[in-house]
Amino acid sequence: DTEVTQTPKHLVMGMTNKKSLKCEQHMGHRAMYWYKQKAKKPPELMFVYSYEKLSINESVPSRFSPECPNSSLLNLHLHALQPEDSALYLCASSQAGGESYEQYFGPGTRLTVT
Amino acid sequence: KQEVTQIPAALSVPEGENLVLNCSFTDSAIYNLQWFRQDPGKGLTSLLLIQSSQREQTSGRLNASLDKSSGRSTLYIAASQPGDSATYLCARGAAGNKLTFGGGTRVLVKP
Repeated sequence: DTEVTQTPKHLVMGMTNKKSLKCEQHMGHRAMYWYKQKAKKPPELMFVYSYEKLSINESVPSRFSPECPNSSLLNLHLHALQPEDSALYLCASSQAGGESYEQYFGPGTRLTVT
Repeated sequence: KQEVTQIPAALSVPEGENLVLNCSFTDSAIYNLQWFRQDPGKGLTSLLLIQSSQREQTSGRLNASLDKSSGRSTLYIAASQPGDSATYLCARGAAGNKLTFGGGTRVLVKP
């Protein structure tokens, strides 16, 4: 099974709402990632979790809060977002370690902030 | 700043023609180079991964090369088909599993 699943597929939220994005993989990977992709732009790394610990935070605003409850799950909690945060949010997973391994991506969550 | 560039940004070819997609990067100390395909509004599909110690990888009609000294990777797609129409992204792998993406090349294969 080389699948990364993400829910929901689409999400519309107001600026005062609190919502969460979910990501799951069952490939035994110990590294998981959140990326943000704006229209017609490449993905930009937000967070990296390695062995369930946050290893990289690319200076992401605190209104985005990641969580890795176990080795298969990754959440992204959203609060007080701005319209400019509307984007496709992609989750990925890979083997963990000091090197760089092949990353497998999920289908993404299309987020619209109104 | 580590940069990854893909030129051209868009490419249109007739069906059956071979595709050549270019990727250049500024830092030769890479761990690997990964090629992805993205269909509109969808996630990324991994196509090929070339480790820094390798010069090329092949999968079916796809072949990717890596030249660290010149900071370039090329993805070749043989005998293109309309189903190959998509955006192709290259990404430079660095320590800590960090990927830096190029801007992508949008490919249209005309039947």
